[in-house]
Amino acid sequence: DAKTTQPNSMESNEEEPVHLPCNHSTISGTDYIHWYRQLPSQGPEYVIHGLTSNVNNRMASLAIAEDRKSSTLILHRATLRDAAVYYCILRDRGGANSKLTFGKGITLSVRP
Amino acid sequence: EAQVTQNPRYLITVTGKKLTVTCSQNMNHEYMSWYRQDPGLGLRQIYYSMNVEVTDKGDVPEGYKVSRKEKRNFPLILESPSPNQTSLYFCASSSQGLLTDTQYFGPGTRLTVL
Repeated sequence: DAKTTQPNSMESNEEEPVHLPCNHSTISGTDYIHWYRQLPSQGPEYVIHGLTSNVNNRMASLAIAEDRKSSTLILHRATLRDAAVYYCILRDRGGANSKLTFGKGITLSVRP
Repeated sequence: EAQVTQNPRYLITVTGKKLTVTCSQNMNHEYMSWYRQDPGLGLRQIYYSMNVEVTDKGDVPEGYKVSRKEKRNFPLILESPSPNQTSLYFCASSSQGLLTDTQYFGPGTRLTVL
């Protein structure tokens, strides 16, 4: 799987937007960009995914650079419950095993 | 409610005593998988199953067995646990194992092998 690079940690204030960056300079044309998050003492949870176009869902937005070498997960109004480790993951179209290859992720802290 | 359940949630055992961690999903998913999470190493896949009676090794299968006799269940078996298998274990499932599928994770099983 192609590699992603994320900062180790970020801080945000409650009710403010948060932009979580991810670099994936070696991304291939068939790689999907997935984001998962892991709340304290819980299993990972799907957030969003995309291929080329920006994506929105009820949890977040995903902005993908035109060259696809980077992407940004946007939480529009951070809440205390959003404090978690956020993982940016690339999934290749090749292969039947759709395992997720987790890196270290970004630890997001949210200040009241 | 759609969910993946694991039992037990916490387990302390001794070296060599066989144990089974159960995983069950109620979403009729074909694909199921086991991961372990260790500090500094992230989550790594142990085994996966594409459907009933179809299983295969992930990245770290040594010391583990799995079975898939029913679609909803995917137990993880440690025949002779060792201290290096002390870890946090997660079961996951998805609809067809496709790239765009969302994977649903269980709450985790924290295993300590003394």
